[in-house]
Amino acid sequence: GQQLNQSPQSMFIQEGEDVSMNCTSSSIFNTWLWYKQDPGEGPVLLIALYKAGELTSNGRLTAQFGITRKDSFLNISASIPSDVGIYFCAGQNNNDMRFGAGTRLTVKP
Amino acid sequence: GAVVSQHPSRVICKSGTSVKIECRSLDFQATTMFWYRQFPKQSLMLMATSNEGSKATYEQGVEKDKFLINHASLTLSTLTVTSAHPEDSSFYICSARDRKSTDTQYFGPGTRLTVL
Repeated sequence: GQQLNQSPQSMFIQEGEDVSMNCTSSSIFNTWLWYKQDPGEGPVLLIALYKAGELTSNGRLTAQFGITRKDSFLNISASIPSDVGIYFCAGQNNNDMRFGAGTRLTVKP
Repeated sequence: GAVVSQHPSRVICKSGTSVKIECRSLDFQATTMFWYRQFPKQSLMLMATSNEGSKATYEQGVEKDKFLINHASLTLSTLTVTSAHPEDSSFYICSARDRKSTDTQYFGPGTRLTVL
């Protein structure tokens, strides 16, 4: 099925730095979501976006739903070692949810 | 918050045997559950959508006779991998949609299947 284009594939940053990742799609989605997955575990929902243009924060995380409904970005400010993991974007229309390939984040103390 | 459990968390089986994986929504009712497969260093790929009381809808390329899905109650869906082969080894993850919320899917912790 339709997959999203997520970038970057991986990031190596120093603790305290800010991080930005994004997703684009050729299709419109009604909902954009960002998940974090730790090794050997299921994805955990970080932020859900329901309206085009919406900007939502969850602690140090901020995500936006693009005006065109075809893209979204996630920012992490002042990264800490426990931010390490794989971040997935997902676009959803009713029961149809499609995932990006993931961004693997490594944070050096 | 909404909790989804999976059992077992890991299973090792011999080639040719069948394996059943359970997905439960613990504190909410889910009319719809989803089954995903994830290979190492790859994203989640939707296998099928499981609807309570009706037949599952399978994604293109997923064999419904090999991956049997039963969603017998509002809190339980099962995935049975029949006649498993080594290429079926993967991380299987379920998610459940809260019937009171139309948009949010909550994921289980996943089941690591290894077929020898």
